[in-house]
Amino acid sequence: DAGITQSPRHKVTETGTPVTLRCHQTENHRYMYWYRQDPGHGLRLIHYSYGVKDTDKGEVSDGYSVSRSKTEDFLLTLESATSSQTSVYFCAISEAGVQAYGYTFGSGTRLTVV
Amino acid sequence: GEDVEQSLFLSVREGDSSVINCTYTDSSSTYLYWYKQEPGAGLQLLTYIFSNMDMKQDQRLTVLLNKKDKHLSLRIADTQTGDSAIYFCAETTEGSNTGKLIFGQGTTLQVKP
Repeated sequence: DAGITQSPRHKVTETGTPVTLRCHQTENHRYMYWYRQDPGHGLRLIHYSYGVKDTDKGEVSDGYSVSRSKTEDFLLTLESATSSQTSVYFCAISEAGVQAYGYTFGSGTRLTVV
Repeated sequence: GEDVEQSLFLSVREGDSSVINCTYTDSSSTYLYWYKQEPGAGLQLLTYIFSNMDMKQDQRLTVLLNKKDKHLSLRIADTQTGDSAIYFCAETTEGSNTGKLIFGQGTTLQVKP
């Protein structure tokens, strides 16, 4: 979807290094989310944001931090990458709570930690 | 806690109907969704149903909701090879002002020519 972009699309990094993934939206939506997708687990929420500088933890937040200094950008940081964080990461945006609008998803970032 | 369960795999022949099933545990779910994920892509919203409805039809898609049994299904009529994808059901709960969605594991639909 043109209104939400994730960068990079692919990344290989070494264990113990910090990694930052970026989500950028042009829709001016209030809510932004980071999910990870793993086989057999579907999508699991890492962190979400309900406004600039307003963030909260999801179900799998350990080892991750986020920041949102502008409406359009939501950054996900792996402080010290581990092999268990090898996954596909999706950003999603939502207008004023999900309700009937659901989410709009980015195309994903495939992260490999070696 | 909240949980959403789906079977992992379904295989059908082109032209047949596909039925993908989902169960959820949270009785306060307000909206339930079906998303489609094609290879290498993000998830696209297919359809949704509000919890006070029991059926919704949208062209080839029919969503059935049995709130008593907490069971949701997606029926795709005249399934085509282009329908091959992973299908996720998801739910959100009443009173949630954060818009969090809880997803199932996803059902891989394979359509054979």
